[in-house]
Amino acid sequence: QSALTQPASVSGSPGQSITISCTGTSSDVGSYNLVSWYQQHPGKAPKFMIYEVSKWPSGVSNRFSGSKSGNTASLTISGLQAEDEADYYCCSYAGSSTWVFGGGTKLTVL
Amino acid sequence: EVQLVESGGGLVQPGGSLKLSCAASGFTFSGSAIHWVRQASGKGLEWVGRIRSKANSYATAYAASVKGRFTISRDDSKNTAYMEMNSLKTEDTAVYYCTKDWNYGMDVWGQGTTVTVSS
Repeated sequence: QSALTQPASVSGSPGQSITISCTGTSSDVGSYNLVSWYQQHPGKAPKFMIYEVSKWPSGVSNRFSGSKSGNTASLTISGLQAEDEADYYCCSYAGSSTWVFGGGTKLTVL
Repeated sequence: EVQLVESGGGLVQPGGSLKLSCAASGFTFSGSAIHWVRQASGKGLEWVGRIRSKANSYATAYAASVKGRFTISRDDSKNTAYMEMNSLKTEDTAVYYCTKDWNYGMDVWGQGTTVTVSS
């Protein structure tokens, strides 16, 4: 199972919006509405941000939103804030009780 | 407080074995599936495996990279999950996280435990 494809890095200025893409295949992202997203600050454990493509876990800001089209899922962060600077990972259920993560995207807030 | 705490990491020689533990508190552990995810230094997250609850027959699943070498188990009486790692390779060196399943996502994460495979 190959990792999902994410851009290595994205950047934006405070207040702007950015979108991180996550491209898989028809066997994972394209087959299931079971994409989740995680935020990870340096030296910390990942934090659960989005599940089932576009749902928010309790306590997560609605500045973070998810979507999916075909084999590509996306995470959009609106109203960028300095504390959003982190690594972001997508993850998809891949069938047969397996999961696959994306390679990660480093977000820089300029 | 909902919490997962990993332990058992350390330095092991190639070909050796190690058993990690994941102690849970603050939620109904017995009803939850638990995943293990690892992260090599400077690299991305990699899903390692998962164990389901008793209601789902404690079913396990593994990534191809560890299948046949790693075994996940659980003791619901101790609110603890385990991952036994055998035939360790240098490429297994990573921080290992346990995490609770939530609707096919992973909502609660431990702080991680470091495994180093080196001679």
